[in-house]
Amino acid sequence: EAQVTQNPRYLITVTGKKLTVTCSQNMNHEYMSWYRQDPGLGLRQIYYSMNVEVTDKGDVPEGYKVSRKEKRNFPLILESPSPNQTSLYFCASSLTAQRADTQYFGPGTRLTVL
Amino acid sequence: AQSVAQPEDQVNVAEGNPLTVKCTYSVSGNPYLFWYVQYPNRGLQFLLKYITGDNLVKGSYGFEAEFNKSQTSFHLKKPSALVSDSALYFCAVRDSTGANNLFFGTGTRLTVIP
Repeated sequence: EAQVTQNPRYLITVTGKKLTVTCSQNMNHEYMSWYRQDPGLGLRQIYYSMNVEVTDKGDVPEGYKVSRKEKRNFPLILESPSPNQTSLYFCASSLTAQRADTQYFGPGTRLTVL
Repeated sequence: AQSVAQPEDQVNVAEGNPLTVKCTYSVSGNPYLFWYVQYPNRGLQFLLKYITGDNLVKGSYGFEAEFNKSQTSFHLKKPSALVSDSALYFCAVRDSTGANNLFFGTGTRLTVIP
């Protein structure tokens, strides 16, 4: 089944404790992206990757890192999480970076930083 | 800069009645527009998109959307609402640059009343 998977689905952590949220897609997609969803703000893009070893900042990159060493994986790294990073995170992918390509979303990761 | 506005946080409609969820956009160049739906505790699911061509776009689950260039709108519609349509709906516009980045509205919560 074609899908985007994220792990973990739920995470409660404490301020300053490094964490990684994994994202993987099995559709051989070139483009991948991370979003965060906050009430009243919709989804905002954190980082995106147009292909392997190519990453770029979205609208709200502060406090986050990403890497794209393999085509299928696009982990989101929080080196020193803070409470304002408590949010619902979504990974997405599309076949290419072409404007017409539909993005497919993972199930989400709910992160709470205490 | 591109932006999307969903003027209604909440829309209530009786089962069997037609529904409309409003979206207006601002983008330089030709717009690529999308609707996504989010059911409770789930990721975003693609409903439909407008790229070019016919202004009336048909999508999943009986939804359709009408692109209106003069009013810069892309309203989501369905002739007869179902209780199972109750969810959070997001309108999005594609970045007008070369990257495949989506800009989302803040979402509209649709409640279909039995």
